Amino acid sequence: ETGVTQSPTHLIKTRGQQVTLRCSSQSGHNTVSWYQQALGQGPQFIFQYYREEENGRGNFPPRFSGLQFPNYSSELNVNALELDDSALYLCASSGVADTDTQYFGPGTRLTVL
Amino acid sequence: AQSVTQLGSHVSVSEGALVLLRCNYSSSVPPYLFWYVQYPNQGLQLLLKYTSAATLVKGINGFEAEFKKSETSFHLTKPSAHMSDAAEYFCAVSDKVRGNKLVFGAGTILRVKS
Repeated sequence: ETGVTQSPTHLIKTRGQQVTLRCSSQSGHNTVSWYQQALGQGPQFIFQYYREEENGRGNFPPRFSGLQFPNYSSELNVNALELDDSALYLCASSGVADTDTQYFGPGTRLTVL
Repeated sequence: AQSVTQLGSHVSVSEGALVLLRCNYSSSVPPYLFWYVQYPNQGLQLLLKYTSAATLVKGINGFEAEFKKSETSFHLTKPSAHMSDAAEYFCAVSDKVRGNKLVFGAGTILRVKS
């Protein structure tokens, strides 16, 4: 059974640029959630996707957007990057058998200069 | 709205000593509660979860947590600390108002002294 994978591992962008982060959910999981973890803080919920539809959103501006594909993989897109977007971005998936438990990937470290 | 408070941003114990990491929650509905561990430069690993079954929950690596509704607490314990337990620990509550998001505490960094 393959766990949650994320790409890339690290990314450096400059202010104003756009970025796309990718996530492959664990086998058998149909729900993907994205979290932002700033340095020294707990993860903050960005949004969740279920069957290719957004299924809940946290307090993040519209320049944070996402997609889920038919194979349940997902993308997080961030436009007009700001310095405060520098963080670890975590993807988590959950499955039909246990919708309440989320399993996390290793994260993508985004640095905005 | 659901929330979690972790008491103590840093906890230091000696190897072999009891580990106690504190978590208090606020929830308008019966909560689902989780403990995750994060090693440096890694993602979150699930340690254990409470989903309204037994109040004493056993997890991986010898950790356990007890749900106490009267105290709104879900503290994490381990009888004997190992050096490999040094990491950051996060308590989280499930918020199902829209979707099924996790609301995390600020985390507690556990240091284990030899």
